Amino acid sequence: AQSVTQLDSHVSVSEGTPVLLRCNYSSSYSPSLFWYVQHPNKGLQLLLKYTSAATLVKGINGFEAEFKKSETSFHLTKPSAHMSDAAEYFCVVSDQGSGTYKYIFGTGTRLKVLA
Amino acid sequence: GAGVSQSPRYKVAKRGQDVALRCDPISGHVSLFWYQQALGQGPEFLTYFQNEAQLDKSGLPSDRFFAERPEGSVSTLKIQRTQQEDSAVYLCASSFPRTSGRSQETQYFGPGTRLLVL
Repeated sequence: AQSVTQLDSHVSVSEGTPVLLRCNYSSSYSPSLFWYVQHPNKGLQLLLKYTSAATLVKGINGFEAEFKKSETSFHLTKPSAHMSDAAEYFCVVSDQGSGTYKYIFGTGTRLKVLA
Repeated sequence: GAGVSQSPRYKVAKRGQDVALRCDPISGHVSLFWYQQALGQGPEFLTYFQNEAQLDKSGLPSDRFFAERPEGSVSTLKIQRTQQEDSAVYLCASSFPRTSGRSQETQYFGPGTRLLVL
C-alpha cells in the first residue's frame, strides 16, 4: 500500500522568508510523487513531480522538492515566499498497485504568508 | 487548449434530491478520474474510466453514486437521494496515458463542483 503524510496542517511564514512544507511517503514501489497547489475556489495545479530522473526537482513559481529515499521524504521548498503563495498544498503519490494509477493525496498543508 | 471543465460550479440540493455533475475532460485524454474532497481534507478517489470503460469504482461510497462516460469523453457523476454527508467538492481529472511510465502521468484537474446538501 502507498501513502503520503503531510507533517504540518498549517504553516505560516513572513513574506520573503523560506518556505518548507514537509511530506513523507510510504511505497513498496519506486514512487511517483507530486506536489499540487490549490488556491481558493480554483482547481488543483501541478507544481512539480518526481519521476526518478533526478532527485532534485524544480517546479513552477520557484518551488522545488528533493526526493530522499533514505528518509522517505519529498519536502517542498521555496527560497522566498510571496503573498501569492498563500494556498493549500497537497503531496500526492501515484497508486501503482491498483492498475489505475489513481492519486493518493495527503491531508494538505495550508500556507499562510504574512506581510 | 482548454482545460478540464466542470458544471455546475455550485449546487445546492435538498436531502433526498438526485443530482448530476458533469465533467468535460481535455480533448483526447483517455483517462478520467473523479475525486471527492470533503471540507478540510485531501481529495479521495471515487472512480476511474479508460475511454468509456469504468475500470475502477472502488472509491464510490455507496450504491447511490453512479458514474458514466458513454462515448469516452464527457462524464457524469450522479448521486441519488442525496444525504448531508455527500456535501463536498467533486473534482474531475483527466490524463493521457503513455505506453510506459504510467505512474508518472500528470492528472489535470477541473475547478470542481461544490455540492451542498441541506
